[in-house]
Amino acid sequence: EVQLLESGGGLVQPGGSLRLSCATSGFTFRSYCMSWVRQTPGKGLEWVSSIDANGVYKFNADSVKGRFTISRDNSENTLYLQMNSLRAEDTAVYFCAKYMDGWHPLDYWGQGTLVTVSS
Amino acid sequence: EIVLTQSPGTLSLSPGERVTLSCRASQSLISTYFAWYQQKLGQAPRLLMYGASSRATGIPDRFSGGGSGTDFTLTISRLEPEDFAVYYCQYYGSARWTFGQGTKVEFK
Repeated sequence: EVQLLESGGGLVQPGGSLRLSCATSGFTFRSYCMSWVRQTPGKGLEWVSSIDANGVYKFNADSVKGRFTISRDNSENTLYLQMNSLRAEDTAVYFCAKYMDGWHPLDYWGQGTLVTVSS
Repeated sequence: EIVLTQSPGTLSLSPGERVTLSCRASQSLISTYFAWYQQKLGQAPRLLMYGASSRATGIPDRFSGGGSGTDFTLTISRLEPEDFAVYYCQYYGSARWTFGQGTKVEFK
């Protein structure tokens, strides 16, 4: 059974940093591209960042470019999102998700971790 | 930048009804990279359709997708109680992944 479990969310002040983790199991992690998607409370979905299976190719939404870094550890089957210079508008539930094939679509999602940016 | 506009924002329906959700793109899309997701309150999104018209694993055949170019649809032939949720369209292109704003299907 494919499982994705996010952790690392919490309350952080504006300008602060957080590192999210997504522990995975039930599939060959090193063979799949992965992604982070966020959802503002009560609002829709926003793609944040994606990474290829080898961790070489990385893509970020313009809203987080230069502040967030996606990475992965294929030996630990874990995906990461380093978030720096956090802003109030980054407050959201952050989901990690697995791509089904290549870069599309997202066939398995974690349950999400809440990040709150507030003073 | 591709913008996906879903309509209507909310649909109030009864179990057993047929419903068609719309997703319109700001430019012509490649159907291969178009998908639909379902999200229930407090849950993660679930993949319903990919390649515009292929059902994901475990999705019942009352769900069907179609469309091309700038107009795509998701049809539920007969609403079941578990289908009341928010539905999102999504597109991948040029290393960007875009979601529509969602359509909520609620009990009438």
